[in-house]
Amino acid sequence: DIQMTQSPSSLSASVGDRVTITCRASQGITNSLAWYQQRPGKAPKLLLSAASRLESGVPSRFSGSGSGTDYTLTISSLQPEDFATYFCLQSYISPYTFGPGTKLEI
Amino acid sequence: VQLVESGGGLVQPGRSLTLSCAGSGFTFHDYAMHWVRQAPGKGLEWVSGINWNGGNIGYADSVKGRFTISRDNARSSLYLQMNSLTAEDSALYYCAKDNEGRFLEWGGAMDVWGHGTTVTVS
Repeated sequence: DIQMTQSPSSLSASVGDRVTITCRASQGITNSLAWYQQRPGKAPKLLLSAASRLESGVPSRFSGSGSGTDYTLTISSLQPEDFATYFCLQSYISPYTFGPGTKLEI
Repeated sequence: VQLVESGGGLVQPGRSLTLSCAGSGFTFHDYAMHWVRQAPGKGLEWVSGINWNGGNIGYADSVKGRFTISRDNARSSLYLQMNSLTAEDSALYYCAKDNEGRFLEWGGAMDVWGHGTTVTVS
């Protein structure tokens, strides 16, 4: 099975900051990587798929990049509503696996 | 586009439970579907996925041999039969739609999620 690691596990930042979250897969996943945002008590929200494809309605301050085993989510200028937990997901091969999450705090 | 899960509840260890998910607002048979769970205060765990016609199915190692995913396209419904439940299966179970289409092999993500149904094994 593919293992996903995510760093950092938590992050404190301020409104307006630029932040980067990283996911690393235990083997190459050819861009089959998605990023989710989850707010407390809510279902996850898909932000990007295929490593860098922004979902409809997601603000352009979110971007994704990477290849092979290493992928990043960047938020260019944090807004108050961005403080949440972020997960990555590999869907290259079954069983799909999520990263452990990054909690982004004010 | 909407997914509504049902069937959760309190169940004793070793017993069985079946979850259901009703889809609406999209052409159900055009998409692979997934179950994802989240234990209280924990991260997300992909449980299972199924192709549009049931021809390809995948399971997490933690549930393989105990859980069975199925679908009824005529009813726009997804199911998860859960047997031999343990406390480690206690979680909020989400039904989710694949964003790429019919096949798990396309490596899609989950773009539409239900609100979840809670399973407590105790």
